[in-house]
Amino acid sequence: DGGITQSPKYLFRKEGQNVTLSCEQNLNHDAMYWYRQDPGQGLRLIYYSQIVNDFQKGDIAEGYSVSREKKESFPLTVTSAQKNPTAFYLCASSIDSRTSGVETQYFGPGTRLLVL
Amino acid sequence: QKEVEQDPGPLSVPEGAIVSLNCTYSNSAFQYFMWYRQYSRKGPELLMYTYSSGNKEDGRFTAQVDKSSKYISLFIRDSQPSDSATYLCAMSEVGQNFVFGPGTRLSVLP
Repeated sequence: DGGITQSPKYLFRKEGQNVTLSCEQNLNHDAMYWYRQDPGQGLRLIYYSQIVNDFQKGDIAEGYSVSREKKESFPLTVTSAQKNPTAFYLCASSIDSRTSGVETQYFGPGTRLLVL
Repeated sequence: QKEVEQDPGPLSVPEGAIVSLNCTYSNSAFQYFMWYRQYSRKGPELLMYTYSSGNKEDGRFTAQVDKSSKYISLFIRDSQPSDSATYLCAMSEVGQNFVFGPGTRLSVLP
């Protein structure tokens, strides 16, 4: 089955700890994205990557870091600098719209991060 | 003013009703419009995708875009309890990132 997987489903972070959320896709999509979802708010873009070894900050990148070493994988690290990390984190992917002209995104099942 | 606005609801309707979900936006450069359905504690699922203005129908769902009014709608006919979810609108300019509305929570009562 083609799709996007995220792990873990739930993650607990202790004070001062860095944690990494996994995102893998087998859709052969070029672009990948990380969003944060808080109750009553729209999805906010944290980071995105349109090709391997390249990524850009989104609207709320402070306290987060990413890497894109493989096309299929786009892990997100929530660092200790992120003071309010409790949220639902969503990974998405899409065909590179710059070449396809297509503008749709497909989402993974999400990871819920909670602070101990 | 937020770039994309959406009535947060919750919206409660009886089974079989026609549901109208709406978003307004301020950026006239938006060209791509999407509706996602999100069940509780799950990732959003793409329902409808529309480019520029006009209507698009898929089964019980119809998406409508009115660029002159900067207004998009999703209609659900013969609503079912399984349609109970949060519906997110999203839109983008060509080659730009998506902007999402906050979502409308819908409950369809049996």
